This record gives sequence, C-alpha cells and structure tokens, in this order.
Amino acid sequence: AQKVTQAQTEISVVEKEDVTLDCVYETRDTTYYLFWYKQPPSGELVFLIRRNSFDEQNEISGRYSWNFQKSTSSFNFTITASQVVDSAVYFCALSDSISSGSARQLTFGSGTQLTVLP
Amino acid sequence: DTEVTQTPKHLVMGMTNKKSLKCEQHMGHRAMYWYKQKAKKPPELMFVYSYEKLSINESVPSRFSPECPNSSLLNLHLHALQPEDSALYLCASSQEGTRLTDTQYFGPGTRLTVL
Repeated sequence: AQKVTQAQTEISVVEKEDVTLDCVYETRDTTYYLFWYKQPPSGELVFLIRRNSFDEQNEISGRYSWNFQKSTSSFNFTITASQVVDSAVYFCALSDSISSGSARQLTFGSGTQLTVLP
Repeated sequence: DTEVTQTPKHLVMGMTNKKSLKCEQHMGHRAMYWYKQKAKKPPELMFVYSYEKLSINESVPSRFSPECPNSSLLNLHLHALQPEDSALYLCASSQEGTRLTDTQYFGPGTRLTVL
C-alpha cells in the first residue's frame, strides 16, 4: 500500500536559517508522482512542486529546493534563508497507479508545521 | 491567486439546519474534489467528480450530499450534521482526474462549525 511519512511534526527556526523538511514514501509502483503543498494559517493548500519517479534531478526555485532520491524513497524540501512568511504546514503527497475507481487519489503525509521566528 | 473559489469562507450551523458549500473553478478542469480536514491532520478525501460523474465516494455519511451541476461547479449539501463534522472543507480541481500527472489545485476552504 502507498504511504507517506513526514516524521517531523513541528520545526522551529529563526529567520534566515536554512531548514529541511523530510518526506519518505512507500509504493510498489515504478511510475508515480510526488508533490509538496504549503498550507498557511489561512487554510488554502498551495501547490509547490510535482516530480515524477523517472526524474531524479534536484530542482531549485528561488529559496526552495527539492532533493529526490529513489534509493532512499525520499523527497526532501529545503528552504534557504527562511522568512517569517514561510511559516505554514507543509504536506508531502504521493500519486501512483494504484487508484480507487476511475480517479487518481493523493496519499498525504501527516504534515510538518514550520514556524519561522523573527 | 487561486483559481478555485469557495463560498462561504466561514459557516456556523445548527444540527437541524440545511446549508450548502459552493466551489467554482476557472481553469477548464474536468475533475473536482471535496476534502475534509480536521485540525493538525492532512486532508481526507470525501468525493471525486470526473467529467461531472461521481467517481469516488469514500464512505461518507449521507448527511453530506455532493452535486456537480457542470464541470466548473461543485456543491456540497449539508443536512443534520453533527458537532464532529466541524472542520475545514476544501475543494480542489485537476485536469482530468484519471491521469497520473494530474495536479490538484485547492481552494481557500470553508471553515464549518456545527453547534
């Protein structure tokens, strides 16, 4: 069965520190997609990135970077020079070919609450 | 800016009330989703509509009734709710729903309180 584990429940850092959020997944599929979402206190889940299982290149977008390692089934997310506005809950999610009915489902991790202190 | 809108933002209702949550997307997507999220938990899938047909119903009690009038609109009708139904209700949409590459885009949510 699919599973996503975010072992860090809460992380606190001081502004300008770098922080890495861990995500470990389990799937029997060879083709799957991984996602990161950000949920600020306002509640909306904001899509950050999608990565497919065949693309192990790391990705950087501004202060955000993602490290995908199939060998360890991990898809970690690093924020460089964190800012107070980065404070949010971050969810890692998995979509694979095992689906219920005719629509794909996301398997979410339990989320990591990141607090960036000024 | 999100292209998935939800109304109302907040809703307080009694256990005997009937109310509806509304969701609209302007991205031309053909799949729409309802999620329920309790505090400090990930979203839990409730319903999926793909091409205006109910595709997934995750054993949700009948006091929640979804409706998809067209591919841009999704409603969730509420009746005889219980206090434990108080949660954040999130709507999402994706291109088709059946493709592995589909990315779900979420609305801002409706915070529901049942008294």
